[in-house]
Amino acid sequence: GESVGLHLPTLSVQEGDNSIINCAYSNSASDYFIWYKQESGKGPQFIIDIRSNMDKRQGQRVTVLLNKTVKHLSLQIAATQPGDSAVYFCAENIPPPGAGSYQLTFGKGTKLSVIP
Amino acid sequence: DADVTQTPRNRITKTGKRIMLECSQTKGHDRMYWYRQDPGLGLRLIYYSFDVKDINKGEISDGYSVSRQAQAKFSLSLESAIPNQTALYFCATSRSDRAYEQYFGPGTRLTVT
Repeated sequence: GESVGLHLPTLSVQEGDNSIINCAYSNSASDYFIWYKQESGKGPQFIIDIRSNMDKRQGQRVTVLLNKTVKHLSLQIAATQPGDSAVYFCAENIPPPGAGSYQLTFGKGTKLSVIP
Repeated sequence: DADVTQTPRNRITKTGKRIMLECSQTKGHDRMYWYRQDPGLGLRLIYYSFDVKDINKGEISDGYSVSRQAQAKFSLSLESAIPNQTALYFCATSRSDRAYEQYFGPGTRLTVT
């Protein structure tokens, strides 16, 4: 199976509430974890990344939390807006030994629906 | 104008036909990628290129080939299309020092009948 997965395939939230999207990973060698947003009919869009030596990182209205003990990653969206409706993918970056290349492994995605 | 463009946006082709999907970027990035997206399976890497002379196979390269004609252009070919190659195909680019921050094109929806 894939090393990056999601706890919930769909999530519905009221506009203005906070959203939390969860992701589990299994590879301890991953050095970066990333969240992407994919709106309908578009390609994925980078949101935020977190390095494996951090446990929290904040962006504009988004916060990513990393718990390496339980291999869990989450994306929190504050004051969710209709424009946040999309599929959210977590991804992990596993660097090959001795090389500078990076390959991302994507999870299957969580669909976030914002109720006006 | 879009930084990463893909042509065509939609294509229907028959089994056994050769088809090429094209990708161009104006971001000046060295690295380019081709992904395939299927419902429920997320994004899977087909091929990636670090520069014009460095091309590497990804997770699912069988049945596909690529060409990096220039820094800005990366094309994906299906030599003999089969129905299970029906999918949404994305091209992406990145800087070498932030390869995990990738910029995706709008996608090509390919249907093989």
